[in-house]
Amino acid sequence: SAVISQKPSRDICQRGTSLTIQCQVDSQVTMMFWYRQQPGQSLTLIATANQGSEATYESGFVIDKFPISRPNLTFSTLTVSNMSPEDSSIYLCSVGRGDTEAFFGQGTRLTVV
Amino acid sequence: GENVEQHPSTLSVQEGDSAVIKCTYSDSASNYFPWYKQELGKRPQLIIDIRSNVGEKKDQRIAVTLNKTAKHFSLHITETQPEDSAVYFCAATGPNFGNEKLTFGTGTRLTIIP
Repeated sequence: SAVISQKPSRDICQRGTSLTIQCQVDSQVTMMFWYRQQPGQSLTLIATANQGSEATYESGFVIDKFPISRPNLTFSTLTVSNMSPEDSSIYLCSVGRGDTEAFFGQGTRLTVV
Repeated sequence: GENVEQHPSTLSVQEGDSAVIKCTYSDSASNYFPWYKQELGKRPQLIIDIRSNVGEKKDQRIAVTLNKTAKHFSLHITETQPEDSAVYFCAATGPNFGNEKLTFGTGTRLTIIP
């Protein structure tokens, strides 16, 4: 199994500000995935972070709004920029290795006021 | 891209009865199908998975079946217990899992009635 440490676990932010979420994995992984889970909804992939290259964003998500860093094979950050109340959600990082299951961080519950 | 549909969105069953959740997928290249359980305020946790070279897999009270021809797979929970109450998500991904994204179904809120 993989251990993923994600922080912060929750935050309340003012609109117009930015929040950076961190994920640390206990072993090296090629890909890290960032998901958004809006209240009562399923998980929607924001982007895939591959070490050494630009993140790949899904339709509806842009780098200016959700910049991602992936400085090494065990760490990634997601920034939610210029926040509005619509960004209130749970953000989760995830990793998968080979043909094994995906593991999730504990999530960041973001509330924008 | 892949599209995963999940039904029903809510399901209530009496304790001890069985629960079945069904998913369909669109991409015939998908070959790995995990199921996740998410309790309130917690992260999704894998409960069972199946690969395309297998038709059925069982783990105690939980089983998953896969019909690749019809592109659907199902989660079966027998002898349900109150602790089975949670939201369940199916997902699908391609052969390069770990380096490919998971596409999730919309979720099923399962409530076990004591």
